[in-house]
Amino acid sequence: KQEVTQIPAALSVPEGENLVLNCSFTDSAIYNLQWFRQDPGKGLTSLLLIQSSQREQTSGRLNASLDKSSGRSTLYIAASQPGDSATYLCAVSNTGNQFYFGTGTSLTVIP
Amino acid sequence: GAVVSQHPSRVICKSGTSVKIECRSLDFQATTMFWYRQFPKQSLMLMATSNEGSKATYEQGVEKDKFLINHASLTLSTLTVTSAHPEDSSFYICSAVGDWEETQYFGPGTRLLVL
Repeated sequence: KQEVTQIPAALSVPEGENLVLNCSFTDSAIYNLQWFRQDPGKGLTSLLLIQSSQREQTSGRLNASLDKSSGRSTLYIAASQPGDSATYLCAVSNTGNQFYFGTGTSLTVIP
Repeated sequence: GAVVSQHPSRVICKSGTSVKIECRSLDFQATTMFWYRQFPKQSLMLMATSNEGSKATYEQGVEKDKFLINHASLTLSTLTVTSAHPEDSSFYICSAVGDWEETQYFGPGTRLLVL
């Protein structure tokens, strides 16, 4: 069964810093990988979706990379802002629909 | 973009009662919907996969007789927590997959508190 791990569990950075969130998964035969943002008590917001054939995806200040062979993905956030404070979840799919979620990284950006 | 709604957003009930949560895709048809559960400080866990017109597929450890799922139409799936107990208190999130792509669109979630 696919297992997804995210490191660190929590991260606190001053505003303006660039940061990297890490995600690792045990089964490299994935279909795609998705990064989500979750605000307290809210549902998920999809940030980036990377297909298994892709190496990275970019959206604004966010860049996600995928290295299937090593079972790793990173989410890079440039010039962090207080509004980026949230929990970031990584999820991988082996079949195209069902996702396995990591435990998340709680990010706090200090003004 | 595609929108998924859930109703209610919050519900408080007494132990032993049943609670129904609705998940709707507002502007697209979804042949597949998923139900997730999230306990405090834990990640989302998939409970079941709901396919329109057929029985739901439950993940290991999820009691199908306790968590009844009905996907009666292409825009509506319901999750009924039967005979709810305090340990069922959780955040329940649904998601829907449109026919045209692979992205899951998530609902805002339902907070269930069982007293």
